[in-house]
Amino acid sequence: GNSVTQMEGPVTLSEEAFLTINCTYTATGYPSLFWYVQYPGEGLQLLLKATKADDKGSNKGFEATYRKETTSFHLEKGSVQVSDSAVYFCALSDPANAGKSTFGDGTTLTVKP
Amino acid sequence: EAQVTQNPRYLITVTGKKLTVTCSQNMNHEYMSWYRQDPGLGLRQIYYSMNVEVTDKGDVPEGYKVSRKEKRNFPLILESPSPNQTSLYFCASSLGTSAYEQYFGPGTRLTVT
Repeated sequence: GNSVTQMEGPVTLSEEAFLTINCTYTATGYPSLFWYVQYPGEGLQLLLKATKADDKGSNKGFEATYRKETTSFHLEKGSVQVSDSAVYFCALSDPANAGKSTFGDGTTLTVKP
Repeated sequence: EAQVTQNPRYLITVTGKKLTVTCSQNMNHEYMSWYRQDPGLGLRQIYYSMNVEVTDKGDVPEGYKVSRKEKRNFPLILESPSPNQTSLYFCASSLGTSAYEQYFGPGTRLTVT
């Protein structure tokens, strides 16, 4: 079956530091890949997505590139802010298993002033 | 405002007492899904629905039922809750599967004693 593996957290950074959260996946087909963010006490919301190989998703200074050769979709941001503190989930949706979504375990990011 | 609503937001109940968590979306989305979120396990899909009267099992369907009689509503039913169903539950909807982002509700925190 499909799976998503995220780097283990929690991650603690100082403001303006560089962020990388690793995500790798296994899938039977050609999945779409997503990063969702969950702020304290809220539901998940889409941060960015990529639907085919070599696509780059970007939003709010965050970026991730769909790398089919390494089956990865690592999340990066050049300079984090305190307001970026949240839980980040990598996810995939595989058209070969329409309707099913697979999420990673989530990575908790804390940014300190 | 486009949104997914869930009720109740918090629920404490006892083993064996049937309960229903409601989910409603106002975006005319075809696809709806239920997830549970547990520490260290990320989000796991319980059931999903691709359209009215069409539902299918996710990764952890045991102990749950769903129905999709109307496009906007997708209730989650626990016929005989047990303590291992204590969790944070999220409903989500999207225009379709695969490349489409999911919109999440605010969550329902369920405790079964």
